Amino acid sequence: EPEVTQTPSHQVTQMGQEVILRCVPISNHLYFYWYRQILGQKVEFLVSFYNNEISEKSEIFDDQFSVERPDGSNFTLKIRSTKLEDSAMYFCASTLGGTPVAGELFFGEGSRLTVL
Amino acid sequence: AQKITQTQPGMFVQEKEAVTLDCTYDTSDPSYGLFWYKQPSSGEMIFLIYQGSYDQQNATEGRYSLNFQKARKSANLVISASQLGDSAMYFCAMRPYSGTYKYIFGTGTRLKVLA
Repeated sequence: EPEVTQTPSHQVTQMGQEVILRCVPISNHLYFYWYRQILGQKVEFLVSFYNNEISEKSEIFDDQFSVERPDGSNFTLKIRSTKLEDSAMYFCASTLGGTPVAGELFFGEGSRLTVL
Repeated sequence: AQKITQTQPGMFVQEKEAVTLDCTYDTSDPSYGLFWYKQPSSGEMIFLIYQGSYDQQNATEGRYSLNFQKARKSANLVISASQLGDSAMYFCAMRPYSGTYKYIFGTGTRLKVLA
C-alpha cells in the first residue's frame, strides 16, 4: 500500500539552528501539507502546497518557515532559526485532492523535533 | 469561521461495549467532507471513516460508524464492541470543498478501553 514517508523520525537541535524535515508524498497525490502537533495535543495546520506553490498557510507559518518541492518526489519543510516553541511532532500529509470527494489525508509517521 | 469542536477530552468504555465520541462542526460551505482519525500512543495518524455532506446514508467501516446529523452539524463517531486496542486519541476533521484546501482538526478525545 502506498504511504507517505518522512525523515528524520526524530531530530534534536540547538535553538537558532536550521532544520529541514523531509517528506515523500504518495506519488500520484497532488496536494501536500505540513501539520504540527505539540505534545499529543491539537493537530495544527501549517501549510498546504499545490501545483508547486503554497496554496494556503496559517499564522504559525511565519517567515521562519518555508516549503519546497525540489524534485518530483520530495517535499521539504525548513525552519530557518529554530525556537524552543518549535518543539513538536511535524506531520507531512498528502491527498489526491479534487472535489466533491477530496478524499482523506494520508499522513506520514511524523518527525519529532526537539529544540534545546 | 470554520471550526471543529470535540467537547470530550477523555472517555472510558468497558471492553465489548459501544462508545460514542462527539464532534460538532461549523462551516458556511454547503459542500464538505468529515473525517475521523485515530492516533495510538505510537503517534501515527490512522484514517478511520469519511462522510460527505451530501451523502444520504451514514458511513460505516467495520466497527466504526459515523452518526451524521446535518441539521445539528454533528458527526459523532460510534465504535461498537470496543477492544483494548481502541485505546487512543481520536480526532474529528473537516474539509470544506470550496475556498480552501485545509483540513481542520478538533482538539481530540482520548479514549481508554477498560478490560
